[in-house]
Amino acid sequence: EADIYQTPRYLVIGTGKKITLECSQTMGHDKMYWYQQDPGMELHLIHYSYGVNSTEKGDLSSESTVSRIRTEHFPLTLESARPSHTSQYLCASSETRSPSTGELFFGEGSRLTVL
Amino acid sequence: AQRVTQPEKLLSVFKGAPVELKCNYSYSGSPELFWYVQYSRQRLQLLLRHISRESIKGFTADLNKGETSFHLKKPFAQEEDSAMYYCALSERSGGYQKVTFGTGTKLQVIP
Repeated sequence: EADIYQTPRYLVIGTGKKITLECSQTMGHDKMYWYQQDPGMELHLIHYSYGVNSTEKGDLSSESTVSRIRTEHFPLTLESARPSHTSQYLCASSETRSPSTGELFFGEGSRLTVL
Repeated sequence: AQRVTQPEKLLSVFKGAPVELKCNYSYSGSPELFWYVQYSRQRLQLLLRHISRESIKGFTADLNKGETSFHLKKPFAQEEDSAMYYCALSERSGGYQKVTFGTGTKLQVIP
């Protein structure tokens, strides 16, 4: 079944640890995105990708990095986690074909807590 | 720069009452607007888009370019409508889809 998967759903980790949030989609979409969302706040785009080997930074500056080696996979990495990184991270994808509906398809999110 | 404003963080209505979730936007071009919904313990998902001019789960939204608004309405609220609602504006920028979200409105339908 076509879907977008995020793991882990919840992660509690100590300061200074390296973490990777996984995102995979079987939607056949070229475009993928990472949003950061604090409770009660809007979603902020932190990274996006047009396709394989394409990554760009979004509107909100983030210390995280992303990679896109395979079309279906768009992991996000924090080399050294800090309490300020505590947030929910949402992965999304969208269609490429034109005219695009403009719809984003979201994963269930990864809630990160850094102690 | 594009901006989406949802002035209400929380909207409480009684079951059967009309609902209007407000959304205003600022954008210099021709906007493509959406409403997304997140039910408890579920992922964020598209509710409706303005270009479709459709009614989903009894909700409708009309784009008013004069007032730069895209308010979400439903004549009779149901308990299952309780959720977080996000208004979003999409534009094409350099080949990718730039989507800006509002801060969201929590709709609470009181039985």
